[in-house]
Parts: sequence; C-alpha cells; structure tokens
Amino acid sequence: LAKTTQPISMDSYEGQEVNITCSHNNIATNDYITWYQQFPSQGPRFIIQGYKTKVTNEVASLFIPADRKSSTLSLPRVSLSDTAVYYCLVGYNAGNMLTFGGGTRLMVKP
Amino acid sequence: SAVISQKPSRDICQRGTSLTIQCQVDSQVTMMFWYRQQPGQSLTLIATANQGSEATYESGFVIDKFPISRPNLTFSTLTVSNMSPEDSSIYLCSVEETGEAHGYTFGSGTRLTVV
Repeated sequence: LAKTTQPISMDSYEGQEVNITCSHNNIATNDYITWYQQFPSQGPRFIIQGYKTKVTNEVASLFIPADRKSSTLSLPRVSLSDTAVYYCLVGYNAGNMLTFGGGTRLMVKP
Repeated sequence: SAVISQKPSRDICQRGTSLTIQCQVDSQVTMMFWYRQQPGQSLTLIATANQGSEATYESGFVIDKFPISRPNLTFSTLTVSNMSPEDSSIYLCSVEETGEAHGYTFGSGTRLTVV
C-alpha cells in the first residue's frame, strides 16, 4: 500500500491561498491521488482526485508533478469554514485506497 | 453521489453491552466499509462488507468483537460487542462511488461513548 506523508497542521488567514503537499514516494502506476476534507462530527468528504498534471474543480486544484511522488492540494482564498482536516489517499481499487494517513489539520484565522 | 444514512448518530452505553449501528444507502452498492475514528485520530478501516459473503476484517479487528451483516445491496450493520471504554470512538460506514471518480462517500458517523 502506498504510504502518504503530510504536514500535521497548517495555519492560514482568511483570503489566502493554502497549499498542502502530500508525499507518496511508492505510488503505483495505476494509483489515483484523492483528497478528502473532514469537519468535526462529520465523515470525510471527497474534494478532488487526479492521476497526473493538474486537476481543478469548483472547490480546489490538485497539482501532480511528472514523477507523481507528491501532490499539492491548493485551496484558493480560504475562509473560516475551510478549517478542517485534509487527508491525502493514494490507490486504485477498493481495498487499497482506504488507508488514511494522519491528515493535515488546517486552521483558518480571521 | 450516494447518500448514506447512519443510525444512531450517537449513543452512551454501559460496558459489557452491545450496540448495533445501521448504515443505509440510497443506491445499490457492491462494497461497504466500516471505519473507526478515535478522538483526534485518523480513520482506521475495520472491515469490508460485500453482499452475500463474509466480511473481510483488517488486522486487529475480529468478527466476534465486530460482527457485520450485509443482507442486501443497500444496507449493512456493524455491532460493537461486549463494549469497554476503549471502544469509545466514532464509527463510520462508507461506500465506493461508481463512475469516473475513484472516490468514496462516508456517513456522518456514530459517536459511541462507553461508560
């Protein structure tokens, strides 16, 4: 199983762009990279998924370099409501996409 | 995406008793997953439940402690048996999304406190 490494915590201020990087050195050829967001007292919520290069949706962007050994979740102009834990997962099939690392606890301050 | 209803949302139980948590999905899904999340920690997969077969448990989790039922493609239960305070956690069910994205949808969880 591909292991992921993320910073334990990050602080930011409202309106700033936040970039959270995840390392996954032993990512396999078929693996996708998926990010989840979790608020207190809720289950994780799917944010974005990518395989290579850049993916953008209405919530975030995901940057993946050519070697795919890392990925960066970019949250544009964060607000207080973006305070949450963000998890990076790597895998393809059910059964190997389900290993959650420690996640990054993002605190957005006014 | 699938909508998951998980019950109960929270409960306080006496040690030595058992609690059954229900997970209902609004669409048919092949695989359902049960997780445990201890306070302030990440999620740990307990088991994978396929309809019509025995659940597959992860290391450290056994069927006698966490029996799982999967009677059809939209429903599953997880029982936490013979509870102790160490079982106090949030228990979440999850399903794999079909379609282009290889992602998962989670229920809102059951917050269990054992006293």
